[in-house]
Amino acid sequence: SQQGEEDPQALSIQEGENATMNCSYKTSINNLQWYRQNSGRGLVHLILIRSNEREKHSGRLRVTLDTSKKSSSLLITASRAADTASYFCATDADRNDYKLSFGAGTTVTVRA
Amino acid sequence: EAGVAQSPRYKIIEKRQSVAFWCNPISGHATLYWYQQILGQGPKLLIQFQNNGVVDDSQLPKDRFSAERLKGVDSTLKIQPAKLEDSAVYLCASSLGGLGNSPLHFGNGTRLTVT
Repeated sequence: SQQGEEDPQALSIQEGENATMNCSYKTSINNLQWYRQNSGRGLVHLILIRSNEREKHSGRLRVTLDTSKKSSSLLITASRAADTASYFCATDADRNDYKLSFGAGTTVTVRA
Repeated sequence: EAGVAQSPRYKIIEKRQSVAFWCNPISGHATLYWYQQILGQGPKLLIQFQNNGVVDDSQLPKDRFSAERLKGVDSTLKIQPAKLEDSAVYLCASSLGGLGNSPLHFGNGTRLTVT
């Protein structure tokens, strides 16, 4: 079963706008990662946030983590056409198996 | 550094046939993963290797799927016999560590169509 669930399933925005997507998970985690997948390609790692961190930035990306609510958000600021992709969160459950489980993803379309 | 290499890129087979996928991870990466991604879904872990040992294969349909990692480097994933529901993209990934705190590096996948 999938640990993380992204919301919304799909998002369409205008170039220059911000895009926000959320990830909720069920059990305690050690780490949460966000990945991007362009059509027909493999996933590309964006950001890793540990369970004791609340916020991380990387360029135009901002990730927050709220362990009390078991949720994370990914914000893409000043979106570009090249940001059009599917975005996935992945978590490793706070057990001894460290298996990464991916959600179903949010599909983001940036209109020019 | 060279990325994760996978081949073939596409494969079309009939049900009950067999198929094999190949993966060459990033040099020095101890952990190798095979994921299955069905259209519209997130990747699902099939098997995880640490060097040449299996760490997790709990979601691998062992009656038809098999995987090996020779000498802790390259890996092959085989399906025999294939079913229609095996149509998916098979993604190989590698990472330095395997504890969930290492980013995964993915190949571009093999798109399998079973007719």
